[in-house]
Amino acid sequence: EVQLVESGGGLVHPGGSLRLSCAASGFTFSAYWMSWVRQAPGKGLEWVANIKHDGSEKYYVDSVKGRFTISRDDAKNSLYLQMSSLRAEDTAVYFCARDSSSWGSTPIDYWGQGTLVTVSS
Amino acid sequence: DIVMTQSPDSLAVSLGERATINCKSSQSVLYRSNNKIYLGWYQQKPGQPPKLLISWASTRESGVPDRFSGSGSGTDFTLTISSLQAEDVAVYYCQQYYTTPWTFGQGTKVEIK
Repeated sequence: EVQLVESGGGLVHPGGSLRLSCAASGFTFSAYWMSWVRQAPGKGLEWVANIKHDGSEKYYVDSVKGRFTISRDDAKNSLYLQMSSLRAEDTAVYFCARDSSSWGSTPIDYWGQGTLVTVSS
Repeated sequence: DIVMTQSPDSLAVSLGERATINCKSSQSVLYRSNNKIYLGWYQQKPGQPPKLLISWASTRESGVPDRFSGSGSGTDFTLTISSLQAEDVAVYYCQQYYTTPWTFGQGTKVEIK
């Protein structure tokens, strides 16, 4: 059974940093692209970033470029999102998600339960 | 960026009746070299993560009831629930994965009339 479990969310002041982690199990983690998607309270879904199965390609939505970094450790079956210079508008539930194949540009077929990041003074 | 626009924002349908959700992309999400449409539909129930219902515009995922169907081409797409059940109350999103940044529609809330 595919499982994605996020951790690392919490309350952070504007301008602060936070690192989210996602522990993956139940599939060959190293074979899949992985994504982060966020959802502000009461709002819709926003794709944040994704990373190729070997880590050689990374893509970001413009609003987080230069502030967020996606990474992975295939030996630990883990996905990360390093967030810095956080703003109030980054407040959201952050979902770890698996892209459905190893060849990119595919839908997301599994999602974690999400971790809440609140940016507030 | 490709903008995805859904309509309506919400709809109320009687049990057993048809629900239709539309999604329009600001540019084509058809990749001509493989003739695939890079469009998916997701269902999100309160307090839960989204669930993939339809991929490639019309391919129903394993385990998804056949009352859910997807159609469309080019820039206009439709998710149809042929006979609404109580468990279908949710917000539905379309998403293009044709090019980054991947983008979602704003969501359509489906309720029981």
